[in-house]
Amino acid sequence: EDKVVQSPLSLVVHEGDTVTLNCSYEVTNFRSLLWYKQEKKAPTFLFMLTSSGIEKKSGRLSSILDKKELFSILNITATQTGDSAVYLCAVDYYGGATNKLIFGTGTLLAVQP
Amino acid sequence: ETGVTQTPRHLVMGMTNKKSLKCEQHLGHNAMYWYKQSAKKPLELMFVYSLEERVENNSVPSRFSPECPNSSHLFLHLHTLQPEDSALYLCASSQRPGTGDTQYFGPGTRLTVL
Repeated sequence: EDKVVQSPLSLVVHEGDTVTLNCSYEVTNFRSLLWYKQEKKAPTFLFMLTSSGIEKKSGRLSSILDKKELFSILNITATQTGDSAVYLCAVDYYGGATNKLIFGTGTLLAVQP
Repeated sequence: ETGVTQTPRHLVMGMTNKKSLKCEQHLGHNAMYWYKQSAKKPLELMFVYSLEERVENNSVPSRFSPECPNSSHLFLHLHTLQPEDSALYLCASSQRPGTGDTQYFGPGTRLTVL
C-alpha cells in the first residue's frame, strides 16, 4: 500500500530555532515529492523535488530528497512566528491517465515568541 | 491569490439538503481535482478530471457527484450527506494530466453536516 509518513506530528519551538521536518514514503511509480505549507485553508506550494541530493532553497527554508532511502527533509532556520503552520508532504506518482498525489498527515509547527 | 477560487467558503447543511460546491481555475490548466480533508487525517483524493473527462473517483460514495462542464470549472454536488462528511473540501488544478506537474489549491470550502 502506498503511503507517506511525516514526523514529528507536532513540534513547538521558540523564535530563532532551527527545525527539521521529516517525510518518508513508500510509493510505486514515484515521480516527485512536494512540500506544502497550510496555515488556515488551502495548502501553499513550497518545493517540488525530483532528483536526489539536490538541495532546494527559498529564503530560510530548504529541502532535500533521498530517493535511495525514500525520504525528504524540510529545514527552517531562524524560525519566526509566521512559520507556524501545518507542513504537508506529498508524493506525486503516475496513476493512470493523470498524476495523483498522496499526502502525509502533516507536521504541526508552533513557533513561540 | 492562488488562481483557484472556491465558493462558498463555508457551508452548513442538513442531511436531507442538496447543495453544490464550485471551483474555478484561472491558470489555463487541463486537470482539476477534488480533495477531502478531515480532521487528523491525510488529504484524500476524491475525483480527478482530465480534459473534462473523469479519470479516477477512488470509490467515493454516490452522495458526492462531480461535474466538470469545461476545463475551468468544477462542481461537487452534494445530497443526503452524513455528519462524517463534515470536512474541508479542497479543489486543485494542474497544467497537464499525467506529467507530474504541481497541483495548485483553492482556499477550500468548510462543510458542516448537521
